[in-house]
Amino acid sequence: DTAVSQTPKYLVTQMGNDKSIKCEQNLGHDTMYWYKQDSKKFLKIMFSYNNKELIINETVPNRFSPKSPDKAHLNLHINSLELGDSAVYFCASSQNRGAWGNEQFFGPGTRLTVL
Amino acid sequence: GENVEQHPSTLSVQEGDSAVIKCTYSDSASNYFPWYKQELGKRPQLIIDIRSNVGEKKDQRIAVTLNKTAKHFSLHITETQPEDSAVYFCAASWNEKLTFGTGTRLTIIP
Repeated sequence: DTAVSQTPKYLVTQMGNDKSIKCEQNLGHDTMYWYKQDSKKFLKIMFSYNNKELIINETVPNRFSPKSPDKAHLNLHINSLELGDSAVYFCASSQNRGAWGNEQFFGPGTRLTVL
Repeated sequence: GENVEQHPSTLSVQEGDSAVIKCTYSDSASNYFPWYKQELGKRPQLIIDIRSNVGEKKDQRIAVTLNKTAKHFSLHITETQPEDSAVYFCAASWNEKLTFGTGTRLTIIP
């Protein structure tokens, strides 16, 4: 009965490869997010979707492409992986798009290591 | 966009003492200020939040204060316990997104 789940938990891959991370939430929330947490623990928003519609797209290389097939799922595909992409990627969800009083529930994270 | 600064980056406190973490934000339009706790290897989890129409909020041993004029807010943990050891993040909402502070690693010394 995990609220926000991500797969895989760990991902080790070579530079130049393409990989995907999947996220699912069973909370009935409308809004989902992708965050990147680097080695210094900085948490930065990458993307946000509301009911399958992209609403936040931070300055992220276009090698990163999110996709939301339905409001319970938000996947992240990364092309041509680089060393600097190594980080922990967190998916999160919230009731709706307004940040006012809107708790975000985080998934367990996916630790991506690019060799 | 919003910019959130957080201090200190590390904090060691004797068990039973209080801990205070401070954050400042840049955009006066920000109206929601949550605090997240992240234990080692785990996901961030909300521990307390405050809206811009409130100056202070308390939940058992933790409290948050907000000074809108000065654009800063603080987390107070009293009677600290070993399980309080974690990284704490403040955040401010602006334009439908949360901007997080850089985190404070809190260590409780038994």
